[in-house]
Amino acid sequence: RKEVEQDPGPFNVPEGATVAFNCTYSNSASQSFFWYRQDCRKEPKLLMSVYSSGNEDGRFTAQLNRASQYISLLIRDSKLSDSATYLCVVIRNQAGTALIFGKGTTLSVSS
Amino acid sequence: GAGVSQSPRYKVAKRGQDVALRCDPISGHVSLFWYQQALGQGPEFLTYFQNEAQLDKSGLPSDRFFAERPEGSVSTLKIQRTQQEDSAVYLCASSLPGRGDEQFFGPGTRLTVL
Repeated sequence: RKEVEQDPGPFNVPEGATVAFNCTYSNSASQSFFWYRQDCRKEPKLLMSVYSSGNEDGRFTAQLNRASQYISLLIRDSKLSDSATYLCVVIRNQAGTALIFGKGTTLSVSS
Repeated sequence: GAGVSQSPRYKVAKRGQDVALRCDPISGHVSLFWYQQALGQGPEFLTYFQNEAQLDKSGLPSDRFFAERPEGSVSTLKIQRTQQEDSAVYLCASSLPGRGDEQFFGPGTRLTVL
């Protein structure tokens, strides 16, 4: 079992739709959590960090449930430009530095 | 430069050849990371440097993989006797000290081993 598991994709949605991605992690010692975005043939870029209290950045909302070891990302009012692969990422422990990536979930938003 | 740069962007090697991939981190970023991303997968950690010291090489898949950063800036990832399963995008990332949570990635080197 991989350390970070994500919903299988792809997700195909129309513009304006709300879409949610889920992710689970297996190492309870994981300390920090993120969502990265990766466009086709491009490098990953940090989308947002994820906190237990939940955090929102415009149309994007991220949630962390430590008890369930579950992370989510909600995208409201999807735009064509949101089409990308979304990677769930954890840092294993406080002293850790390596980012542990999930396989990624591909989102395709169509007009 | 403004961001992390990597060269070459594309590399085709015949099986058994040695390759060297270069990474120029963001100026002032003492932490440098290498990741391997196979097709359809997320990046997987290979190794980590703080300045010139290689502090973690637990992700290197075999002793054919070697990384160095002799002067604490530019890093080279070397793969000896390449095999087809080495075909992947090799990503380099850098961060400020203590900010491994905010890593900036280069565009990657796409290695194809024939």
